[in-house]
Amino acid sequence: ETGVTQSPTHLIKTRGQQVTLRCSSQSGHNTVSWYQQALGQGPQFIFQYYREEENGRGNFPPRFSGLQFPNYSSELNVNALELDDSALYLCASSLDGYSGNTIYFGEGSWLTVV
Amino acid sequence: KNEVEQSPQNLTAQEGEFITINCSYSVGISALHWLQQHPGGGIVSLFMLSSGKKKHGRLIATINIQEKHSSLHITASHPRDSAVYICAVPRLGGGADGLTFGKGTHLIIQP
Repeated sequence: ETGVTQSPTHLIKTRGQQVTLRCSSQSGHNTVSWYQQALGQGPQFIFQYYREEENGRGNFPPRFSGLQFPNYSSELNVNALELDDSALYLCASSLDGYSGNTIYFGEGSWLTVV
Repeated sequence: KNEVEQSPQNLTAQEGEFITINCSYSVGISALHWLQQHPGGGIVSLFMLSSGKKKHGRLIATINIQEKHSSLHITASHPRDSAVYICAVPRLGGGADGLTFGKGTHLIIQP
């Protein structure tokens, strides 16, 4: 039990649609980041939020966007879904970044785009 | 930007064997994370290391900051240790900018 919950756990969308994935972090965790993990690959960094501001972004297009809320929840939005967006989406939270603090991951949201 | 290499990519061993998984990275870091991922997808943090060695049960993690190398060892391996083990480091060495992950080591322990 990591204290980080993600929803939904599984979903199927059609190409071109939009999706919102949600993450509820542990209370007090002001850092949350989102990762995309394709089958058989390691997770890839999408972006990170610190105290409700985006403060880091990986090599993902602008149609991937997010928000972090004062109650330590966050969301990942993906517009204009493409088939290659099919993957496991993970959120991870920590207190004040990952350079010296334990990371807590959610179970992930499996997204299939058809 | 940090690059992470893990080896081996796949490892099958018999129950009771001593297991070693290696991780190398390219940019100096403030901390390295060893993670465990089971087939369902969830990731659990095993260790966070900034120097030396840490031990938790049958798991031991070491790091050599000068050589930019870390190892994860499992003593007296058991089938329940079967999982994917991933090392992760800060993308830019430190600060708040997410993590870079290795591709993972898929470990199978046979009874």
